[in-house]
Amino acid sequence: SAVISQKPSRDICQRGTSLTIQCQVDSQVTMMFWYRQQPGQSLTLIATANQGSEATYESGFVIDKFPISRPNLTFSTLTVSNMSPEDSSIYLCSVEDRREERGYYNEQFFGPGTRLTVL
Amino acid sequence: AQKITQTQPGMFVQEKEAVTLDCTYDTSDPSYGLFWYKQPSSGEMIFLIYQGSYDQQNATEGRYSLNFQKARKSANLVISASQLGDSAMYFCAMTNDYKLSFGAGTTVTVRA
Repeated sequence: SAVISQKPSRDICQRGTSLTIQCQVDSQVTMMFWYRQQPGQSLTLIATANQGSEATYESGFVIDKFPISRPNLTFSTLTVSNMSPEDSSIYLCSVEDRREERGYYNEQFFGPGTRLTVL
Repeated sequence: AQKITQTQPGMFVQEKEAVTLDCTYDTSDPSYGLFWYKQPSSGEMIFLIYQGSYDQQNATEGRYSLNFQKARKSANLVISASQLGDSAMYFCAMTNDYKLSFGAGTTVTVRA
């Protein structure tokens, strides 16, 4: 299974600033995903990042606020721009890996997450 | 549109007992996958179990089993012989194509 690391693991930032979160995978993957988990809430997909193309954003998320880079098949970054306290969340990246059990299916593996607090 | 519903915000279970976490879903797609994830207080998401919409048998993974009732659109997770380390948030999720949609989650607290 894929091993995913994220940097930073946590940060406290001032409103109006930006933070870039890095996601590194130990194997080449086609699709990487970025999720947001607000305090006490479930996970919400922000965008899907494919190498060599622009990220695909979900409803309610825009590129100006959450620019994403995907320079190669093992790395991606998510920037949270012009932050406000409402951006305080855990941000998680994930990748798909194919499992050959009972036919096959694609399992999503998650990184350890980045805990962001905006003051 | 897909929707996942977890109606139990929190549950308490005695150590060594079994606990069932409810999950219902709504989709018009004939092909989909159902997942359960565990999220301890550390925040990481840990995959527990998967059930495909065409699977004839209920999935099992160690102490975890999935009670899949397709006609009722439910995919309940059963944790047998609960351990203190099972205390966490549990999320039901559904995938269609490659996107995961999550339920609101259920917090499980295991008592000694």
